Amino acid sequence: DTAVSQTPKYLVTQMGNDKSIKCEQNLGHDTMYWYKQDSKKFLKIMFSYNNKELIINETVPNRFSPKSPDKAHLNLHINSLELGDSAVYFCASSQDTTPRGYTFGSGTRLTVV
Amino acid sequence: RKEVEQDPGPFNVPEGATVAFNCTYSNSASQSFFWYRQDCRKEPKLLMSVYSSGNEDGRFTAQLNRASQYISLLIRDSKLSDSATYLCVVYNAGNMLTFGGGTRLMVKP
Repeated sequence: DTAVSQTPKYLVTQMGNDKSIKCEQNLGHDTMYWYKQDSKKFLKIMFSYNNKELIINETVPNRFSPKSPDKAHLNLHINSLELGDSAVYFCASSQDTTPRGYTFGSGTRLTVV
Repeated sequence: RKEVEQDPGPFNVPEGATVAFNCTYSNSASQSFFWYRQDCRKEPKLLMSVYSSGNEDGRFTAQLNRASQYISLLIRDSKLSDSATYLCVVYNAGNMLTFGGGTRLMVKP
């Protein structure tokens, strides 16, 4: 019974395409996140979404747009994909009353060719 | 300067060895600290929280030095299964975790 699930696990697509990654959590957490892990293995926050408030990392291009239909889902839509978008994207969730740590999804490996 | 810095390694140690990793953070207002573990091609998973008084979980001991802004992780009696990347993580206001680049550990037979 997966706590944070992401789909798809792998995504290979051509430059210029638009794609979406879906994330769902069944932990009842209030906050969800998207992180990007590049080839150098740095995990960088992209977005945080809590109670309909979206916190955007200013370094993220506006081609990336998160969408949260409800508290349990946070999807990531990417327009006009570029080679540099190739990375592993991790969704995570947390209960915002305690900074005890996050539960991560298993990641989506995006390859742009 | 990166907000959380770690030596990327790799640290190559024999089974049974004791190994220590350090991490420094730049934001003196950081509130909470963690070590995460990430296996190859897997998601990060919480290993342990780090408290000012130091804390231990089995073979793992974590220490926090707020004055010097560094965090350490000590692994005793290393096992082959300890081979992974260890991520130093800092929590700041705004409910976001900031990750270090990770230290890779390889335990050899």
